[in-house]
Amino acid sequence: DIQMTQSPSSLSASVGDRVTITCRASQSISSYLNWYQQKPGKAPKLLIYAASSLQSGVPSRFSGSGSGTDFTLTISSLQPEDFATYYCQQSYSTPVTFGQGTRLEIK
Amino acid sequence: EVQLVESGGGLVKPGGSLRLSCAASGFTFSSYSMNWVRQAPGKGLEWVSSISSSSSYIYYADSVKGRFTISRDNAKNSLYLQMNSLRAEDTAVYYCARYDDYGGRFDYWGQGTLVTVSS
Repeated sequence: DIQMTQSPSSLSASVGDRVTITCRASQSISSYLNWYQQKPGKAPKLLIYAASSLQSGVPSRFSGSGSGTDFTLTISSLQPEDFATYYCQQSYSTPVTFGQGTRLEIK
Repeated sequence: EVQLVESGGGLVKPGGSLRLSCAASGFTFSSYSMNWVRQAPGKGLEWVSSISSSSSYIYYADSVKGRFTISRDNAKNSLYLQMNSLRAEDTAVYYCARYDDYGGRFDYWGQGTLVTVSS
């Protein structure tokens, strides 16, 4: 199974900050990498697919990059509604696997 | 509007069984692979099982293989998960998720149903 490792596990930031979350795969997954946002008590929401494509309806302050084993999710200017937990997920091979999550908290 | 609504969760004793359902609407259900993903309390996301659009391809996580069975009824726009021999570690919120094979992504999720395995 492909292991996905996110860093950091948690992060404190302020409204307006630029934030970057990293996801590393245990082997190359090309661009088969997705990012999700999850708020407490809610289902995950797809933000970015295929490493860098913005899902319809997602604000343009979210962006993704990377290929192979190293990927990043960037939020260009944090908004109050962005404080949540973020997960990466690889769809290169079965079983699909998720990172452990990055909890983004208000500083 | 795409909607996925899970049901069937609840409290069950270790070794017991439960059947989850997911009712889909707002899209052509028979054209999409469907999945179950779970989340233990306070933990991350864990993929459980997937089924292709015509039920030709079915996969399970090692942690549930031999105990869980995924199925679908395209005429009823419904997805199911039969869970047998339940263990305490199966306690989680179970989400039904649509899978876009082309993009390789879970693009729509249900609200989840809680399964608690406890004596």
